[in-house]
Amino acid sequence: NAGVMQNPRHLVRRRGQEARLRCSPMKGHSHVYWYRQLPEEGLKFMVYLQKENIIDESGMPKERFSAEFPKEGPSILRIQQVVRGDSAAYFCASSPRDGPRIHEQYFGPGTRLTVT
Amino acid sequence: GQNIDQPTEMTATEGAIVQINCTYQTSGFNGLFWYQQHAGEAPTFLSYNVLDGLEEKGRFSSFLSRSKGYSYLLLKELQMKDSASYLCAVRDNTDKLIFGTGTRLQVFP
Repeated sequence: NAGVMQNPRHLVRRRGQEARLRCSPMKGHSHVYWYRQLPEEGLKFMVYLQKENIIDESGMPKERFSAEFPKEGPSILRIQQVVRGDSAAYFCASSPRDGPRIHEQYFGPGTRLTVT
Repeated sequence: GQNIDQPTEMTATEGAIVQINCTYQTSGFNGLFWYQQHAGEAPTFLSYNVLDGLEEKGRFSSFLSRSKGYSYLLLKELQMKDSASYLCAVRDNTDKLIFGTGTRLQVFP
């Protein structure tokens, strides 16, 4: 039973380019969360999605950032026109829709974005 | 506002016991989580408390007092591999996790 998968693991972009980060939740999980971790800081919530639905995007910057979780395929976090301050580790977590472990979020290995 | 406080760093000796404290003030409470994170890796789930009291799982235990907004993670029989960051997180009333900045634990031989 594969865990949460994220790709790429490392991504280098020049200022002004676009970054696309992918997350495939655990099998049977339909809730996806994205978090950002800046160097030497804690994890910060960005967005919570279910299939074809954004539940909570209160942690997303208003500009340049968007997220989706289509009916088929992985969840995508998209950052347009990246700036140096976007350099961080981006973690995806998933949780099941129901059952006794509904409260647990399982994290993927993260994508480390470096903006040069 | 949302506020979760935990010490930045702690040190301990192999074989000892260490307690990592966490205090929180959040809008809504649907449980408190502890995660372990080794440098450059993903957080891994350690424990979940939603009711007051102590939850024990092997060498690790977690305690919660909702009235005091307080939790601790207790690690017994410390091993070198326990050197990591320990993250306290509260699940708020919209199901997202609010994380503290983490406590970096160093275990010395």
